[in-house]
Amino acid sequence: DARVTQTPRHKVTEMGQEVTMRCQPILGHNTVFWYRQTMMQGLELLAYFRNRAPLDDSGMPKDRFSAEMPDATLATLKIQPSEPRDSAVYFCASGLVSGRYNSPLHFGNGTRLTVT
Amino acid sequence: DAKTTQPNSMESNEEEPVHLPCNHSTISGTDYIHWYRQLPSQGPEYVIHGLTSNVNNRMASLAIAEDRKSSTLILHRATLRDAAVYYCIQDTYSGAGSYQLTFGKGTKLSVIP
Repeated sequence: DARVTQTPRHKVTEMGQEVTMRCQPILGHNTVFWYRQTMMQGLELLAYFRNRAPLDDSGMPKDRFSAEMPDATLATLKIQPSEPRDSAVYFCASGLVSGRYNSPLHFGNGTRLTVT
Repeated sequence: DAKTTQPNSMESNEEEPVHLPCNHSTISGTDYIHWYRQLPSQGPEYVIHGLTSNVNNRMASLAIAEDRKSSTLILHRATLRDAAVYYCIQDTYSGAGSYQLTFGKGTKLSVIP
């Protein structure tokens, strides 16, 4: 089965450091999502891309977070500088969107980020 | 904000059927209902989705009310591996290219051996 791959699986860093999370979407999927999950807020949509172009990043704190897709096989989420409140599990998901048809989303197993 | 409401938790005995309810009273004619589940320490996993009529796949069945304001996910024989948080999501179409699945708190299903 094709899978969404996220690296690293775990990341512990100190406040103020830069963090980069990577995602390899499923080949052929044209839409990539970044979600964040915490106990308090649950799963929150941060941003998503269609054909590598950002469509919506309204869920992302703009001053410190940035998301990019350098190519069709790589999506990145960067936090600079990181803060303890950024501690969460970050999920990447990919899917195929064509008109009104939306394929099921496939999620990676997440990056668990701890900022001390 | 999530547009669906689900019970916080449910319990089921192993090998018994499970009916997980979801209310989506603001649904419109073009909105799909999706179900995902999340096992411990994993990302969400697609279960099933539907628009108007009932749907079946190898994992579950989805029964959608005639007025579409509610639906029920049916696991025909619960196993211990089905213990997870189940999310019911209303996929609202707002134009070409839109596709945002907003997750609520979901229902935590416990399966008793």
